[in-house]
Amino acid sequence: DAKTTQPPSMDCAEGRAANLPCNHSTISGNEYVYWYRQIHSQGPQYIIHGLKNNETNEMASLIITEDRKSSTLILPHATLRDTAVYYCIVRGSQGNLIFGKGTKLSVKP
Amino acid sequence: DVKVTQSSRYLVKRTGEKVFLECVQDMDHENMFWYRQDPGLGLRLIYFSYDVKMKEKGDIPEGYSVSREKKERFSLILESASTNQTSMYLCASILTGGSQPQHFGDGTRLSIL
Repeated sequence: DAKTTQPPSMDCAEGRAANLPCNHSTISGNEYVYWYRQIHSQGPQYIIHGLKNNETNEMASLIITEDRKSSTLILPHATLRDTAVYYCIVRGSQGNLIFGKGTKLSVKP
Repeated sequence: DVKVTQSSRYLVKRTGEKVFLECVQDMDHENMFWYRQDPGLGLRLIYFSYDVKMKEKGDIPEGYSVSREKKERFSLILESASTNQTSMYLCASILTGGSQPQHFGDGTRLSIL
């Protein structure tokens, strides 16, 4: 099963873009990359996913490199409520999600 | 919006008790999953189910069993609760096939005393 690597923590100023990187160098050709976030004491919340092309939705943008070995989640205008742990994930062979330790994003006023 | 509902947010039980954690989803999803989440260990897969009455072991099934009598409901059972099963339990569901994301419930924080 492919694994992901993320920095343990990042800070971002309120109103600025938050760029969260992820390495997934062992990802296979048909595996999607998923991003979730988890606010303390809640279940993981789905943000966005992609295969090859960049994706955008109302929450975030996802930039995937051409070789698919890494990706970046972009929160265009971070707010205090975006403070959370962000997980970059690929699916396991059983269809489950393999969560790493994620990046703890702190948005500061 | 997909809704995955876990019956309890917080639960306290005693060692040796039989504990039932319930999960219900309202989107007719075939696949359902039970994870536990512990500090420093991330989410670990306990059991999953592809269909009614189907179940498969995940990475840490010992001490647990599951029941899927109806498509919308997936129950996790702690046969004889022990203190090392104190954890946050998360249920998720997803449609079969494609790339659709898993949707999670808000979790049950279970304490075994």
